[in-house]
Amino acid sequence: QSALTQPASVSGSPGQSITISCTGTRSDVGGYNYVSWYQQHPGKAPKLMIYDVTNRPSGVSNRFSGSKSGNTASLTISGLQAEDEADYYCSSYTSSSSHWVFGGGTKLTVL
Amino acid sequence: EVQLVESGGDLVQPGGSLRLSCAASGFTFSTYWMSWVRQAPGKGLECVANIRQDGSEKYYVDSVKGRFTISRDNAKNSLYLQMNSLRAEDTAVYYCARGLLSESSNWYHYFDFWGQGTLVTVSS
Repeated sequence: QSALTQPASVSGSPGQSITISCTGTRSDVGGYNYVSWYQQHPGKAPKLMIYDVTNRPSGVSNRFSGSKSGNTASLTISGLQAEDEADYYCSSYTSSSSHWVFGGGTKLTVL
Repeated sequence: EVQLVESGGDLVQPGGSLRLSCAASGFTFSTYWMSWVRQAPGKGLECVANIRQDGSEKYYVDSVKGRFTISRDNAKNSLYLQMNSLRAEDTAVYYCARGLLSESSNWYHYFDFWGQGTLVTVSS
């Protein structure tokens, strides 16, 4: 069982907006602004989409945005496109000795 | 262009050892934290080990402490993971990843470039 909780799946139609949640505790998501999101297409390596809760790396579309409220972080994708269909993983700093913790992943389906 | 190329994955028996390598190019290797992140078949991501630019600081996930050792050779632009006492639950694709420092930390980092991964299978 992953330390961060994500919905197993979400779906949306092209052009719509969707939000993926990532719930932790005060020991990780809620206590620190070290949240990131990764996109992974089947058979490919993950790609960093969001870091430090809200920042986008160079080259990532501004259709992707991150936020956090309390112990829950969120990734919002606006103007959904077919190429956004992938697995998404959240990650956070954790005060445990491992320091890095991931969510179990969310499969996004573009209808 | 940033490139990370892993090698060394193989089928190994429980209790055996394996050494993974990652060849880096396209950036100044010695100025970045580096990490190994693994993904078991059909499962999520797990950060296994991290190493500071000069090798002076290392972190390990609890499940591999005492069994795995991360190291680097900045002269060869290479990252390594020595894996001993391997278990079935270590079966995964192992990714080499470059560290992107948080804007508010001098050590906490994210993984902004990844290799294609190398498969480690632990089975008798």
